[in-house]
Amino acid sequence: KQEVTQIPAALSVPEGENLVLNCSFTDSAIYNLQWFRQDPGKGLTSLLLIQSSQREQTSGRLNASLDKSSGRSTLYIAASQPGDSATYLCAVDNYGQNFVFGPGTRLSVLP
Amino acid sequence: GAVVSQHPSRVICKSGTSVKIECRSLDFQATTMFWYRQFPKQSLMLMATSNEGSKATYEQGVEKDKFLINHASLTLSTLTVTSAHPEDSSFYICSAARTSGSFGTGELFFGEGSRLTVL
Repeated sequence: KQEVTQIPAALSVPEGENLVLNCSFTDSAIYNLQWFRQDPGKGLTSLLLIQSSQREQTSGRLNASLDKSSGRSTLYIAASQPGDSATYLCAVDNYGQNFVFGPGTRLSVLP
Repeated sequence: GAVVSQHPSRVICKSGTSVKIECRSLDFQATTMFWYRQFPKQSLMLMATSNEGSKATYEQGVEKDKFLINHASLTLSTLTVTSAHPEDSSFYICSAARTSGSFGTGELFFGEGSRLTVL
């Protein structure tokens, strides 16, 4: 059964810093991996989708990479801003198991 | 990105009443929608997978008679919490999968969530 973990659980950084969030999964038989952010009391906003055949995706200051063989994905946030403060979740779309979510990384960017 | 609308965003009801939450995909057709429950400072807990035109698939431990799910069209799924009790108070979120022709469930888009408070 697929298990998804995220490290760190929480992160606090000063504004302007570049940072990396990590997502690991145990079963490499995935269709794709998706990164989301969730603001308190809100639903999830899709950030990036990486299909299993892809190595990375970029959107603005965000860059997500995928290494299927090692079961890892990273989300790189450049020049962080206070508005980036949120919980970031990764989710993998598995063969025959639908999406499995990680527990999230709670990010605080201090002004 | 695609838009998924969830309504109502907040609902307060008396114990014993039923509450319906709607989830609509506004700009794409969604064969598959998902319903989640989220407790404070915890991750999402999948309740059920809703497939258009067929019965929902419930996760272990989720009472299908308590949480009725209907997916009557490719753009609408509803969750009805029947005979609600205070322990049903929670944040409920839906998502819709947009397929792109490639394999897999597709790309997920989420509604804004519904905060249910049962008095």
